[in-house]
Amino acid sequence: DAEITQSPRHKITETGRQVTLACHQTWNHNNMFWYRQDLGHGLRLIHYSYGVQDTNKGEVSDGYSVSRSNTEDLPLTLESAASSQTSVYFCASSESGGLAKETQYFGPGTRLLVL
Amino acid sequence: QKEVEQDPGPLSVPEGAIVSLNCTYSNSAFQYFMWYRQYSRKGPELLMYTYSSGNKEDGRFTAQVDKSSKYISLFIRDSQPSDSATYLCAMSYNDYKLSFGAGTTVTVRA
Repeated sequence: DAEITQSPRHKITETGRQVTLACHQTWNHNNMFWYRQDLGHGLRLIHYSYGVQDTNKGEVSDGYSVSRSNTEDLPLTLESAASSQTSVYFCASSESGGLAKETQYFGPGTRLLVL
Repeated sequence: QKEVEQDPGPLSVPEGAIVSLNCTYSNSAFQYFMWYRQYSRKGPELLMYTYSSGNKEDGRFTAQVDKSSKYISLFIRDSQPSDSATYLCAMSYNDYKLSFGAGTTVTVRA
């Protein structure tokens, strides 16, 4: 079955370190998204990609970067981790066309703690 | 002001009750409306998808969209303990990006 996976599922790091969270989907979806989820804020969009070599900033992109070298993967990098980046991170993907193209499928999440 | 506002809850109801969840929004360009269910420590999963105004029913779940009032609702009939989760409304205006509400946590008591 097609799926979307994230790794690691849990991560503890120190302030100032670079951290990369992996996201891999096997649906062959062109669109991929990274969100963070914090209490009281719901899901906030960090970065998104509409295809290979395409990346775009979301509403909370400062301190984060992404790159898209193939269809299946969209890794999220925290350049210099800060305590404010402690959160649960979700990756999602969606189709490029069709009636349900806005339907996004989410991964299981990565819990990141920055000390 | 947030683009999407959702009743914060939490909501606790007895088994068998009707659960009513609501969101309001400010962007009149939204035309795709979704409800996601998120169990504790899991990723959100799509529950209902509606295009434009109207009602949509799927088993015990009914989604309503009133674009004139910029208001969407989700009703859960005959609620079960397995419905205990956080429910997130989401909406889009055809650019593939979703705007989410903050979520309402629902507990159905056996």
